[in-house]
Amino acid sequence: EDQVTQSPEALRLQEGESSSLNCSYTVSGLRGLFWYRQDPGKGPEFLFTLYSAGEEKEKERLKATLTKKESFLHITAPKPEDSATYLCAVQEYGGSQGNLIFGKGTKLSVKP
Amino acid sequence: NAGVTQTPKFRVLKTGQSMTLLCAQDMNHEYMYWYRQDPGMGLRLIHYSVGEGTTAKGEVPDGYNVSRLKKQNFLLGLESAAPSQTSVYFCASSYTSGADTQYFGPGTRLTVL
Repeated sequence: EDQVTQSPEALRLQEGESSSLNCSYTVSGLRGLFWYRQDPGKGPEFLFTLYSAGEEKEKERLKATLTKKESFLHITAPKPEDSATYLCAVQEYGGSQGNLIFGKGTKLSVKP
Repeated sequence: NAGVTQTPKFRVLKTGQSMTLLCAQDMNHEYMYWYRQDPGMGLRLIHYSVGEGTTAKGEVPDGYNVSRLKKQNFLLGLESAAPSQTSVYFCASSYTSGADTQYFGPGTRLTVL
């Protein structure tokens, strides 16, 4: 069973059409939840870290939220340049030093 | 600041050949990591280092070796490459391990024929 599950696998939006990406996790003790953006042929680019339920962080059109079981990445009025794969990762207490457990990602396409 | 850099960007090997991937960071980070990324799977940790002169196994260490002789460099070696090692390899670094942000390099695309 995957410890980090992202949904949907792929999402196609029209420019300006807001939506949310989901990341659910089953680790026993959450140390931190990370969101990354990955463009084709490039390395993951850090977006947010969330540490406790109820926490929210925003950056431009992106807003990340966290509950005890899942995180959402809300995208408001997306633009074509927001097209990328969004990765979620968790770090748990007691795991290997600094080890991040990644989900498989959500591929977002925003059409003009 | 170059951040995390990786050499080479692309490489094609024949089964049984060996090679070394180089990762360098200029952020004075203590922790460094090697991941592999395969289609349909999340990034998986191969090996990591908590400081100069240290290394440890991650989730998928078989067939790989690593060395951290200098704080800024982390090397990943394949002694006898296999087709199953065809993948994109990413290096990352962080200041500490305590839920600290890991910063990733641009990746190396390796094909083993």
